[in-house]
Amino acid sequence: EAGVTQFPSHSVIEKGQTVTLRCDPISGHDNLYWYRRVMGKEIKFLLHFVKESKQDESGMPNNRFLAERTGGTYSTLKVQPAELEDSGVYFCASSQGTSAYGYTFGSGTRLTVV
Amino acid sequence: AQSVTQPDIHITVSEGASLELRCNYSYGATPYLFWYVQSPGQGLQLLLKYFSGDTLVQGIKGFEAEFKRSQSSFNLRKPSVHWSDAAEYFCAVGNSGNTPLVFGKGTRLSVIA
Repeated sequence: EAGVTQFPSHSVIEKGQTVTLRCDPISGHDNLYWYRRVMGKEIKFLLHFVKESKQDESGMPNNRFLAERTGGTYSTLKVQPAELEDSGVYFCASSQGTSAYGYTFGSGTRLTVV
Repeated sequence: AQSVTQPDIHITVSEGASLELRCNYSYGATPYLFWYVQSPGQGLQLLLKYFSGDTLVQGIKGFEAEFKRSQSSFNLRKPSVHWSDAAEYFCAVGNSGNTPLVFGKGTRLSVIA
């Protein structure tokens, strides 16, 4: 079984540019989550999809962040325009059932905004 | 609201020594508790989880954790640390619903010879 795949693994962009991160969950996993870790801080929840619907986007920092999940399969997280404080590692995770069973995480995308 | 505290930012232990990483949670009902590990360049890997029943749970790589309701704790232990255990460890809390897991800030473990 393939795991959760994220790409790119690293991205360095200039302030004001746009970046799109992609996550391919485990096939058949209806639940998909985005988290972010800023250096030295906790891993913070951004949003949760159930299939193609946004179940909870309470963690999205502002309207510069846009997440989509096409047809309930892969998901993209776009940051436009990027700011310096957006730097961090963005993790995607998926689960078949509820969060109670734990998630399978991808390796993350390290985003650096300069 | 759920929250997790990992009071130790960085711990260094000698190879072969025992290890205990602390985790305290805040949640009004029965929590679902998890420990994840992140090795350099890798994603988060689930070490173990607690839902109910026996309060001592066994995980992968020789790790175990004990749920203590009275102390709101879920500390991770390993009797003998190997150099390959050097990584960052995250405690997380969830519940029986579908609300997202809440993570602590992590504890970085260094292992010395």
